[in-house]
Amino acid sequence: DAGVIQSPRHEVTEMGQEVTLRCKPISGHNSLFWYRQTMMRGLELLIYFNNNVPIDDSGMPEDRFSAKMPNASFSTLKIQPSEPRDSAVYFCASSLGGRRANYGYTFGSGTRLTVV
Amino acid sequence: AQSVTQLDSQVPVFEEAPVELRCNYSSSVSVYLFWYVQYPNQGLQLLLKYLSGSTLVESINGFEAEFNKSQTSFHLRKPSVHISDTAEYFCAVSSNTGKLIFGQGTTLQVKP
Repeated sequence: DAGVIQSPRHEVTEMGQEVTLRCKPISGHNSLFWYRQTMMRGLELLIYFNNNVPIDDSGMPEDRFSAKMPNASFSTLKIQPSEPRDSAVYFCASSLGGRRANYGYTFGSGTRLTVV
Repeated sequence: AQSVTQLDSQVPVFEEAPVELRCNYSSSVSVYLFWYVQYPNQGLQLLLKYLSGSTLVESINGFEAEFNKSQTSFHLRKPSVHISDTAEYFCAVSSNTGKLIFGQGTTLQVKP
């Protein structure tokens, strides 16, 4: 298995533009998580899905952020419009569902987003 | 609600010296505890975990952590560090939902 695959690895965009980050989880994993990492705030859980259904989106900072999981093998995190304070590394992780998630998450390599 | 506090943001140490990275957690329910490691420009990798059973858990590269319920701690230790251990280390807690909450991270800087 290739692991959790995120694209793009780096994204530089201008303020106000729409940004879409993509994630392909490990086959067979039915939980997917989006995290944001910054120096100031550390690792923040934005949203997580179980069986393609959003379970907890309380970490989504504001309405400019949205996430979808149309099927078990693909998820997107969209920011529209983007702002400089959205600059961060965004990680996707997947795991087995529910209590089995405690066997461990697998993280992608992240997308480094810079909004200028 | 659950939370994790990593008491040191940076820990500088000389090669071959022992190290302890401290982690305290808060939870009203039974917890599962984890340490993840992040090397520069990479994602997080699971280092070790406590789910149940023996309170002392070990990783394959010489790290160990001990779950102390009375002190609500899960400190990470290694008796002799290498340059290659330089990385950021994250303590995390979860419950039956499988949702992981991370601490702020501790940067381990191993000096020659």
